[in-house]
Amino acid sequence: GNSVTQMEGPVTLSEEAFLTINCTYTATGYPSLFWYVQYPGEGLQLLLKATKADDKGSNKGFEATYRKETTSFHLEKGSVQVSDSAVYFCALSDSGTASKLTFGTGTRLQVTL
Amino acid sequence: DTAVSQTPKYLVTQMGNDKSIKCEQNLGHDTMYWYKQDSKKFLKIMFSYNNKELIINETVPNRFSPKSPDKAHLNLHINSLELGDSAVYFCASSQAEHTEAFFGQGTRLTVV
Repeated sequence: GNSVTQMEGPVTLSEEAFLTINCTYTATGYPSLFWYVQYPGEGLQLLLKATKADDKGSNKGFEATYRKETTSFHLEKGSVQVSDSAVYFCALSDSGTASKLTFGTGTRLQVTL
Repeated sequence: DTAVSQTPKYLVTQMGNDKSIKCEQNLGHDTMYWYKQDSKKFLKIMFSYNNKELIINETVPNRFSPKSPDKAHLNLHINSLELGDSAVYFCASSQAEHTEAFFGQGTRLTVV
């Protein structure tokens, strides 16, 4: 079956530090890959996506590249801000199965001054 | 102009009660979903509907019954609530299958 594995959190960084949150996946078909962000007390918001191998998704300074050879979709940001503190979810939607998102366990990011 | 809206945002109820959560989307999407987020933040699909037709029922107890009166609405009715049903329930919609989903704000259900 499909699965998404994310690095354990929480991740605590100082403002302006470099961020990497690792994500790897297994899928039976050709998945689309997503990063969602959940701010405290809110719903999930799409942060970025990539639909095929070697695509790079980017938004608000965040980037992730779809790497088929390593089945990975790591999230990166060059300089984090306090306002980036949230829970980040990696997810996939597999064309080989009925439409649904399979999520990783989420990684909590805490950015301090 | 909220895209996916759920009501209520908070729901506190006693064991054994029956409750409903409503969801509406104004995006014109064909597919709608219910996800459950447990206390450890883990998200799991419960149901998906495409054009009012049930597509996914992911081993959810039959005390949970989704109803889709039209493409824009997907409600969730829960009978005989149990303590273990306490969670945050998210409604979502997508334009087509395997495209990004847009989520509502969530309904925090607490069963006491």
